[in-house]
Amino acid sequence: DIQMTQSPSSLSASVGDRVTITCQASQDINNYLNWYQQKPGKAPKVLIYDASNLETGVPSRFSGSGSGTDFTFTISSLQAEDIATYYCQQYNDLITFGGGTKVEMK
Amino acid sequence: QMQLQESGPGLVKPSQTLSLTCTVSGGSVTSGSYYWTWIRQPAGKGLEWIGRIYTTGSTNYSPSLKSRATISLDTSKNEFSLSLRSVTAADTAVYYCATEAIVGAHPYFYYMDVWGKGTTVIVSS
Repeated sequence: DIQMTQSPSSLSASVGDRVTITCQASQDINNYLNWYQQKPGKAPKVLIYDASNLETGVPSRFSGSGSGTDFTFTISSLQAEDIATYYCQQYNDLITFGGGTKVEMK
Repeated sequence: QMQLQESGPGLVKPSQTLSLTCTVSGGSVTSGSYYWTWIRQPAGKGLEWIGRIYTTGSTNYSPSLKSRATISLDTSKNEFSLSLRSVTAADTAVYYCATEAIVGAHPYFYYMDVWGKGTTVIVSS
């Protein structure tokens, strides 16, 4: 099984801050990594697919990078509506999600 | 615009079988552009992939649930289903059905692009 380790598990930031979340795979997953946003009581929504591709309609302040085992998700300027939990997900071998990062407002 | 809706009992007794159905509208389970997927989330915890089925009937399951889970398709009703046997309290969760889109050309991209709203299942006597 491929394990996905996401960090931090939570963070607190202010409006306008740059937010960075990392995701590490237990083995090489090429670029086969997606990022999702989940707001309380709602289903997740895909933001980034294939490590760095922005899903249609997603604001450009969201971005992703990385390949192999190490990946980064960035919000360039945090907005109030970005308060949510973010998950990475690999699809190189079946599907595994990271543990999630809860982003809160400072 | 494709929509998914989960349905099934909200309460299941320990050792029994959890059965959920996902009804698809605005799309067809015979489409070759998707895997039809089940994901769950215990309260306050992260997402856990259960498994998926393709239009051919081919299935994949999480290794941790493979021995207890079965996913099936009903093309006549345009729905897909999850059965999870021998449930315990640890199976209490919100269960989501979702489509895993197969996008682009080789190599393909895969991501969950349409989700149901989720249904809460509690395992308790």
